[in-house]
Amino acid sequence: GAVVSQHPSWVICKSGTSVKIECRSLDFQATTMFWYRQFPKQSLMLMATSNEGSKATYEQGVEKDKFLINHASLTLSTLTVTSAHPEDSSFYICSARAADRAQETQYFGPGTRLLVL
Amino acid sequence: GENVEQHPSTLSVQEGDSAVIKCTYSDSASNYFPWYKQELGKRPQLIIDIRSNVGEKKDQRIAVTLNKTAKHFSLHITETQPEDSAVYFCAAGDSGYALNFGKGTSLLVTP
Repeated sequence: GAVVSQHPSWVICKSGTSVKIECRSLDFQATTMFWYRQFPKQSLMLMATSNEGSKATYEQGVEKDKFLINHASLTLSTLTVTSAHPEDSSFYICSARAADRAQETQYFGPGTRLLVL
Repeated sequence: GENVEQHPSTLSVQEGDSAVIKCTYSDSASNYFPWYKQELGKRPQLIIDIRSNVGEKKDQRIAVTLNKTAKHFSLHITETQPEDSAVYFCAAGDSGYALNFGKGTSLLVTP
């Protein structure tokens, strides 16, 4: 149990376009989802915390108008990278915390590799 | 905010030896300390975690120790195998909030 999926697994886009990444909890309800960004050989950097039905909380330095997060249901959160630029190329990973399990445990999605040309 | 330091950044051991990775944290309110293993290009996988009301936890070849007074916790892997080679991340968090990750340790187990 506690499976998290992400779609797409990889995407290549042109500079200036927008890209939407979906994060789904497949077999549990996720009250909270987190979005991370990971550059090569670096750690996971938290971008934002997303609670179902409310606005996301962004970490310092993350532009909320550029990285739009929507958590419309207990099983789905989306991250939209608007007007993507080459410096946005990265590995984006979501995680979800289950409503009915240990509050702290986060289950990670497989990640989405974004390349902006 | 929370600051998590992780050492070493790289670690090479021979198969069968033990590996130890250490982390320190700054926020005394942190009460949850998971360890994740990440293979190249894949998602982080939770391998063990410990909560602040426990000093040590063991799961087969993996153990974690926590010293709340000193604000540090360690991962111990015994009888290492080549398939243990990966990047390991420690993290610290307060129940209900996000995790702060260390910078990772690249572990290489040579046959």
